[in-house]
Amino acid sequence: QKEVEQNSGPLSVPEGAIASLNCTYSDRVSQSFFWYRQYSGKSPELIMSIYSNGDKEDGRFTAQLNKASQYVSLLIRDSQPSDSATYLCAVNVGTGRRALTFGSGTRLQVQP
Amino acid sequence: SQTIHQWPATLVQPVGSPLSLECTVEGTSNPNLYWYRQAAGRGLQLLFYSVGIGQISSEVPQNLSASRPQDRQFILSSKKLLLSDSGFYLCAWNPIRDWNRMEQYFGPGTRLTVT
Repeated sequence: QKEVEQNSGPLSVPEGAIASLNCTYSDRVSQSFFWYRQYSGKSPELIMSIYSNGDKEDGRFTAQLNKASQYVSLLIRDSQPSDSATYLCAVNVGTGRRALTFGSGTRLQVQP
Repeated sequence: SQTIHQWPATLVQPVGSPLSLECTVEGTSNPNLYWYRQAAGRGLQLLFYSVGIGQISSEVPQNLSASRPQDRQFILSSKKLLLSDSGFYLCAWNPIRDWNRMEQYFGPGTRLTVT
């Protein structure tokens, strides 16, 4: 089992719809969770961080964390074509490990 | 504000040649620094991280090495490149000395093609 798993996609949604991206992780002691957006040929950009169970909203983005079920999700409301990118989930896996582990990413396509 | 630089932006090198990629961070002191590699269509693979000058932790055994000669400078090197070293090399830094809150910010990356 991979430490951080994401569906590779592509996830295709129409413009204006809600895009839902999911991520599961294997280590129950993980404390911090992040979502990065990566446009083709560019470096990843941090868009959300979440540290406690529940929802965290920032503009059109909502991160959801459920530590009991070991999953974290990202909702993008009112999806725009400019949201088309690969979304990477990152988790600090392992006690005392001083680095993040990244999933392989989900490619999102927003159809105009 | 903090800024992270990487150079060169692109690089084409023959197999067996040496490599040196540089990363510098401005506007902060004593950051945690990271080197990742992303192969085409793949996720991010952590190569090295550093918590201070001269302190390097290696994640994956390979023909690459890293050094941190100055507080805000991180260098990735190889003596002899392999075809499999091709990829997108990303430097990242983490500004918070709290291992439970490890936001990382990436530089623009170096795209390396080994021919």
